[in-house]
Amino acid sequence: NAGVTQTPKFQVLKTGQSMTLQCAQDMNHEYMSWYRQDPGMGLRLIHYSVGAGITDQGEVPNGYNVSRSTTEDFPLRLLSAAPSQTSVYFCASSYAAGTGGSPLHFGNGTRLTVT
Amino acid sequence: GQNIDQPTEMTATEGAIVQINCTYQTSGFNGLFWYQQHAGEAPTFLSYNVLDGLEEKGRFSSFLSRSKGYSYLLLKELQMKDSASYLCAVSSSGYGNNRLAFGKGNQVVVIP
Repeated sequence: NAGVTQTPKFQVLKTGQSMTLQCAQDMNHEYMSWYRQDPGMGLRLIHYSVGAGITDQGEVPNGYNVSRSTTEDFPLRLLSAAPSQTSVYFCASSYAAGTGGSPLHFGNGTRLTVT
Repeated sequence: GQNIDQPTEMTATEGAIVQINCTYQTSGFNGLFWYQQHAGEAPTFLSYNVLDGLEEKGRFSSFLSRSKGYSYLLLKELQMKDSASYLCAVSSSGYGNNRLAFGKGNQVVVIP
């Protein structure tokens, strides 16, 4: 059982480049989400999805796009990378966004550096 | 929007007890989670509270007061491996679909 799989683990981009962070889960979770983690800022919610075909903005959505065409996959797209997007990105999933006590399962993270 | 507040850092001695506090303001509260995160790793689930009161799981206990928007995580018999950041996260439905938002985390350093 792989759980939540995030790729790549590390990435370096130049300003203005675009890329997609991949996230897949094999637990049939309806809820999937992307967070970024910066020193002193905790985990901040970028985008989330409560099921295939449904996405919502979180606290810091600007500069990022998501789509949810299947239950398993929730890719995060950086449209035009900026140095302010240098961060550690985590994908996480759960059955129901915490209702009923369903905890988030996290991927191992992607360390992104934008130069 | 949601507002989740945690103190930033504390140091404690091996074998001691520490209490980590979390206050929150949100709409459509669905529950509060505590996670542990070691440096360079992903967070891992510790506990969940949705009703007022204390939940105990071994050396870790978590308390919730919904009326006060307050929770704490109690770590007993501290071990060196407990050196980590502790994050509280609130599940809510007041901003559209259900979502989970995190506080900034509290770094606990355990010394011999």
